[in-house]
Amino acid sequence: AQSVTQLDSQVPVFEEAPVELRCNYSSSVSVYLFWYVQYPNQGLQLLLKYLSGSTLVKGINGFEAEFNKSQTSFHLRKPSVHISDTAEYFCAVNQMDSSYKLIFGSGTRLLVRP
Amino acid sequence: DTEVTQTPKHLVMGMTNKKSLKCEQHMGHRAMYWYKQKAKKPPELMFVYSYEKLSINESVPSRFSPECPNSSLLNLHLHALQPEDSALYLCASSQLTVNSEAFFGQGTRLTVV
Repeated sequence: AQSVTQLDSQVPVFEEAPVELRCNYSSSVSVYLFWYVQYPNQGLQLLLKYLSGSTLVKGINGFEAEFNKSQTSFHLRKPSVHISDTAEYFCAVNQMDSSYKLIFGSGTRLLVRP
Repeated sequence: DTEVTQTPKHLVMGMTNKKSLKCEQHMGHRAMYWYKQKAKKPPELMFVYSYEKLSINESVPSRFSPECPNSSLLNLHLHALQPEDSALYLCASSQLTVNSEAFFGQGTRLTVV
């Protein structure tokens, strides 16, 4: 069975500071990994995804993530955050079989302060 | 067009009412999903339709009844709901390959009174 762990429920950070949101996954087979962002009272928007190839994945809004198979991690980073980045961030995994079930982590609230 | 459109945006219903949530996409996606999201929690999968057929039902109570009339539309019929069913209901769609991302609608905020 696969699972996703987001250890930090909330990450406060000052504007223009760097940030890292942590995600670890557990799966007995190869996986596809995703980061989604959810702004208040909205649906989820894809930030980036890892399918294969380069372990450093670049996404929208200046975010990037690094896939680390040995540490089973897929941490999200941004070198300089803005107030507008305040939102809930979800890491998600999908197994490489016939399942179409995205498994979400519990989410991390990024709170950017001026 | 990369949008998934959900209507209504907000819905308040009594426990004896019958209502429906609607979802529409025109991206040619053959997989469509209903998720339920409680406050400060991740989305929980309820149903998956592939090629307009129900392929996954995550043990959802029968007071929630999904319907997929065609490849672009997905409905969720609601009947005799409980206050604990109040939540954000999200529709999503994707290609039928596991490496495809899901596109989400803005959701319907449901309140059961």
